[in-house]
Amino acid sequence: AQSVAQPEDQVNVAEGNPLTVKCTYSVSGNPYLFWYVQYPNRGLQFLLKYITGDNLVKGSYGFEAEFNKSQTSFHLKKPSALVSDSALYFCAVRDRVNYGGSQGNLIFGKGTKLSVKP
Amino acid sequence: SQTIHQWPATLVQPVGSPLSLECTVEGTSNPNLYWYRQAAGRGLQLLFYSVGIGQISSEVPQNLSASRPQDRQFILSSKKLLLSDSGFYLCAWREGAHNSPLHFGNGTRLTVT
Repeated sequence: AQSVAQPEDQVNVAEGNPLTVKCTYSVSGNPYLFWYVQYPNRGLQFLLKYITGDNLVKGSYGFEAEFNKSQTSFHLKKPSALVSDSALYFCAVRDRVNYGGSQGNLIFGKGTKLSVKP
Repeated sequence: SQTIHQWPATLVQPVGSPLSLECTVEGTSNPNLYWYRQAAGRGLQLLFYSVGIGQISSEVPQNLSASRPQDRQFILSSKKLLLSDSGFYLCAWREGAHNSPLHFGNGTRLTVT
């Protein structure tokens, strides 16, 4: 069965410091991986995705994520956090092989609340 | 470019009343469409998805139903709301390619009183 784990409910970072939001996954085949951000009372916004190729993926708002197959991880990173980055972040996975029917749907983690203090 | 519209933004309904939430997508054709519910500002629960007109798959038995009367229109309904139906409802779409991301609407905050 496919699953996604975001081990931290909350991450606190000082503005200007680097940030990491962790994500690990479990799929039977190779994954497609995604990161989303959600601001209060808004829908989720797509940040970036890993499909194939370079393990370091760059996305919107200066975010990037590193795919690590051996550790089955896809951690979200940013070199210098902004107060405006404070939001809820979701990691999601889709199995690239077993994508028929409901298996083609994204599996989301439970979310990590990022708080960036000035 | 593609856009997704979801309305209303907020809704307060009494227990036992009907519900209709609407979602439309512009700028694409034959999208996959989804309804999610988010409780307590955290985890997402997939309620329904559709890969084409009239094709609805239900992921979780609910007091809710969904319909897709047109290619880019997705409707979430209930005949009689329960208190437990309160939550934040999100519509989303994606292209058919299996590496395509989901794109979400701005959501509807439903409070059942």
